[in-house]
Amino acid sequence: AQRVTQPEKLLSVFKGAPVELKCNYSYSGSPELFWYVQYSRQRLQLLLRHISRESIKGFTADLNKGETSFHLKKPFAQEEDSAMYYCALVIQGAQKLVFGQGTRLTINP
Amino acid sequence: EAEVAQSPRYKITEKSQAVAFWCDPISGHATLYWYRQILGQGPELLVQFQDESVVDDSQLPKDRFSAERLKGVDSTLKIQPAELGDSAMYLCASSFGRVQETQYFGPGTRLLVL
Repeated sequence: AQRVTQPEKLLSVFKGAPVELKCNYSYSGSPELFWYVQYSRQRLQLLLRHISRESIKGFTADLNKGETSFHLKKPFAQEEDSAMYYCALVIQGAQKLVFGQGTRLTINP
Repeated sequence: EAEVAQSPRYKITEKSQAVAFWCDPISGHATLYWYRQILGQGPELLVQFQDESVVDDSQLPKDRFSAERLKGVDSTLKIQPAELGDSAMYLCASSFGRVQETQYFGPGTRLLVL
């Protein structure tokens, strides 16, 4: 089955601490993965995509095909990082995006 | 900056009634998506349009849901009759072309079926 799993529904860390949001996927083809974010009272928006290999707002995500993971990381959390984060996978044949259940990240002051 | 528009933002209806949601994508975006998001879950694709054609509606409950994008611009999603289990957030998104491109989401319509 083609799916995305985010094992943590809730994650709480202190400001300045490292953050890692986990994402595992199940897919037989070559994966294309994204992280979308929804801040409070804002729309769901793209944070980053693995093919860009870029850092957005201090976040990075590395595709690990061996572990079928695409964890989102940031070395020093900031209060404005508090949000709902969704990992998403492109299903190539169907040309559609499949989302994980999301992780609510709370950064404590 | 151009945004995806949706209306209404909130809708309360009784079961067995008909409801309709409207979406206006970003100008020039050929691909339009309707997602349903149940509380505590991620968005699930209901239907995807490329211009006016349906690309994927495999998860659309076709006995009660319908969607159209007649002129390849704005779109309407309809539920008739609504059931209690349809209570959810309905999100519309658009992208310039392929699904691999950035999807821009609307604010959503929160539906409550009583």
